[in-house]
Amino acid sequence: NAGVTQTPKFQVLKTGQSMTLQCAQDMNHNSMYWYRQDPGMGLRLIYYSASEGTTDKGEVPNGYNVSRLNKREFSLRLESAAPSQTSVYFCAARTRGLSTGELFFGEGSRLTVL
Amino acid sequence: GQQVMQIPQYQHVQEGEDFTTYCNSSTTLSNIQWYKQRPGGHPVFLIQLVKSGEVKKQKRLTFQFGEAKKNSSLHITATQTTDVGTYFCAGPGKGANNLFFGTGTRLTVIP
Repeated sequence: NAGVTQTPKFQVLKTGQSMTLQCAQDMNHNSMYWYRQDPGMGLRLIYYSASEGTTDKGEVPNGYNVSRLNKREFSLRLESAAPSQTSVYFCAARTRGLSTGELFFGEGSRLTVL
Repeated sequence: GQQVMQIPQYQHVQEGEDFTTYCNSSTTLSNIQWYKQRPGGHPVFLIQLVKSGEVKKQKRLTFQFGEAKKNSSLHITATQTTDVGTYFCAGPGKGANNLFFGTGTRLTVIP
């Protein structure tokens, strides 16, 4: 089992370009999450999806869109990248319906916007 | 809004010394989780605390959840170089399924 897989692992964009970060999980978890991590800021929640067909905003949703394509996949799109979106992005998954339950993280996608 | 603060932000210890990080929430938490992130890696779940005043141990790690369920701590006894990394606490937000992370404490262990 791969767990949570993110692609790409590294990406460099120019300001204004668009891109999609892909995330897939093979653990049959219902809930999926996108976080960004910046130095000294910890992990900040961008969007999450409690179950297939639903998505909700987190702390820092501006400039991002998400799609829960099916139970396995949850993608994060930057329509017009900005330097402030330079960060490490983590996808995570966990069992739905509980306020408890551990998050399983992917290995991260390091994005640089020039 | 939801706020989970951690102190200290950084800690350097000599190998063999103890280490403690503290997590404080502005609201009462139904539960709290702790994660460890090695340098260059991704966060990995350590433990979850649910009950008021709960204490759990994992070898040299001791986790506590405050009586009021608004704070928590992680204590490492006799640190080793393998303990290096950033330790995060995380608590549920207003939504049933979201999870907010603290700012993290970055631990450096000097051999």
